[in-house]
Amino acid sequence: DVVMTQSPLSLAVTLGQPASISCRSSQSLVSSDGNTYLNWFQQRPGQSPRRLIYKVSNRDSGVPDRFSGSGSGTDFTLKISRVEAEDVGVFYCMQVTHWPRTFGQGTKVEIK
Amino acid sequence: EVHLLESGGGLVQPGGSLRLSCAVSGFTISSSAMTWVRQAPGKGLDWVSSIATPGYINYTDSVKGRFTVSRDNSKNTLYLQMNSLRPEDTAIYFCAKDMQASYWGQGTLVTVSS
Repeated sequence: DVVMTQSPLSLAVTLGQPASISCRSSQSLVSSDGNTYLNWFQQRPGQSPRRLIYKVSNRDSGVPDRFSGSGSGTDFTLKISRVEAEDVGVFYCMQVTHWPRTFGQGTKVEIK
Repeated sequence: EVHLLESGGGLVQPGGSLRLSCAVSGFTISSSAMTWVRQAPGKGLDWVSSIATPGYINYTDSVKGRFTVSRDNSKNTLYLQMNSLRPEDTAIYFCAKDMQASYWGQGTLVTVSS
């Protein structure tokens, strides 16, 4: 199985400051079709997850542009340019290239 | 607007069975892959299964032979039949649209306990 390792596992950020979450995979996530299927999800407290980013860097509709995804191969990053109060929650990466699909452990973001 | 609504969760004894449903609106499940993900209490997300549009189904190893995914296109509903349930299957079960999990339901809680 592809192991997804996120760091840090928790992050306390001052409002308006940037935040960055790393996600590393144990194998390359480049698919045979040339795409890299790495997605990011946010789960706010008491809510179901919602997808923020798909295929490394594509923002979903309605996702603020302060969220951005980057990376390639086995090394990926989610950045929040200026953290807002509504960004509190747990962020997960998920690879959809290999079977079985696997998630990172999650990174809890809170406001300092 | 895309909407997914899971139901069918509850308390079941070890070895028992449950069938979860995921009623969908805003798209047709016959033309979309679908995914099940679960989350044990206080834990992270775990992929359970995905069904592709041609009907190919993949399962995580821990549920193979016990869980079965199916869909009723006429009802636009996805199902997860869970047999031989174990305490470690206790979780909130979410259904999600397509392989990329683009939209999620609110989840349904399954508790396996005697």
